[in-house]
Amino acid sequence: EAGVTQFPSHSVIEKGQTVTLRCDPISGHDNLYWYRRVMGKEIKFLLHFVKESKQDESGMPNNRFLAERTGGTYSTLKVQPAELEDSGVYFCASSQESGRNTIYFGEGSWLTVV
Amino acid sequence: GEDVEQSLFLSVREGDSSVINCTYTDSSSTYLYWYKQEPGAGLQLLTYIFSNMDMKQDQRLTVLLNKKDKHLSLRIADTQTGDSAIYFCAESNDYKLSFGAGTTVTVRA
Repeated sequence: EAGVTQFPSHSVIEKGQTVTLRCDPISGHDNLYWYRRVMGKEIKFLLHFVKESKQDESGMPNNRFLAERTGGTYSTLKVQPAELEDSGVYFCASSQESGRNTIYFGEGSWLTVV
Repeated sequence: GEDVEQSLFLSVREGDSSVINCTYTDSSSTYLYWYKQEPGAGLQLLTYIFSNMDMKQDQRLTVLLNKKDKHLSLRIADTQTGDSAIYFCAESNDYKLSFGAGTTVTVRA
């Protein structure tokens, strides 16, 4: 069974440009999460989808970040325009049920804004 | 960051035991987790413990939970070079995980 897959694995963009990260959850997982780790800091929650609905987006830093999950399958996270402080690793995770222990993470998308 | 704290670095000799400590503030935490991130890789769930447990053992890994002090530890017995990684402590009481900043474990020969 395929795990959570993320694309791209690495991205280097200039300040002011746009980047779109994609996450394919494990098939059949209704819950999808985005997390972010900036250099050396803790991993922080960004938002949670149940199917195509945003259940909690309290962790989204500002309105330069837009997450979508059309059709309740894969999700995208767009950063527009990117700033230097957006550099970090963006992790996607999925689970069959929310509030349970079986949350599976992808390998992350490493974003560098220069 | 302020909800879950852990030391940033640990150096251990190959074959010795490693102990990584973590403290958290949310007394309503239901699950507590340890994740491992190897260089260039994603987050791998190592083990977890339910809040009504004191201890959980899984092969070389032992998790101890002191709920009164809100202290969680991970002990790795017979540490190997493949154990070199960043270890993240995390807690949750629902769907949202709160992570610490990670402890970088370096195993030296």
